[in-house]
Amino acid sequence: SQKIEQNSEALNIQEGKTATLTCNYTNYSPAYLQWYRQDPGRGPVFLLLIRENEKEKRKERLKVTFDTTLKQSLFHITASQPADSATYLCALDSGAGSYQLTFGKGTKLSVIP
Amino acid sequence: EADIYQTPRYLVIGTGKKITLECSQTMGHDKMYWYQQDPGMELHLIHYSYGVNSTEKGDLSSESTVSRIRTEHFPLTLESARPSHTSQYLCASSDARPCEQYFGPGTRLTVT
Repeated sequence: SQKIEQNSEALNIQEGKTATLTCNYTNYSPAYLQWYRQDPGRGPVFLLLIRENEKEKRKERLKVTFDTTLKQSLFHITASQPADSATYLCALDSGAGSYQLTFGKGTKLSVIP
Repeated sequence: EADIYQTPRYLVIGTGKKITLECSQTMGHDKMYWYQQDPGMELHLIHYSYGVNSTEKGDLSSESTVSRIRTEHFPLTLESARPSHTSQYLCASSDARPCEQYFGPGTRLTVT
């Protein structure tokens, strides 16, 4: 069956360090992989999208890698700040022609001052 | 900030009542979605629509129903609320592929 796993439920890091979050999937052949940020009591906010033929994507302090052989994406936040504290979700589409996304459970990141 | 709105933000209602959760977007997106999310858990797709007069059930079985009479409006209705319906309901919309989704702020529903 299809499965998305995000490495840990919670991750604590010191301010200024790089946070690395992992998303692994099985039994998917996604065309895209997306990362979202969700704050408590709010809807997710889209951050970055990476296509199956792309290895890496960057946006300001964010970097996403996508390895379709390992079936894994890594999400990095460099020079982390307390304001980066949130839950980060990865999401996959179901393949060609699909507009639906399946979301992982998320990793709750806490950046400690 | 995405132009997608949900009302009410919070609702506490008794068992057996009929409720409608409103969702509107001003981005002209064809695709709209309803998700259910319990605290600390993943989002589960309960309904989606790819255009006017088109609605489908999602992966998670739900006793709710939806309608899509206008592009910008995608309301969700529970005919008879039960305590098991207590959850956060999130509405989202997207354009064509690669279909990044834009979410509303959510409705926190509590059925007593």
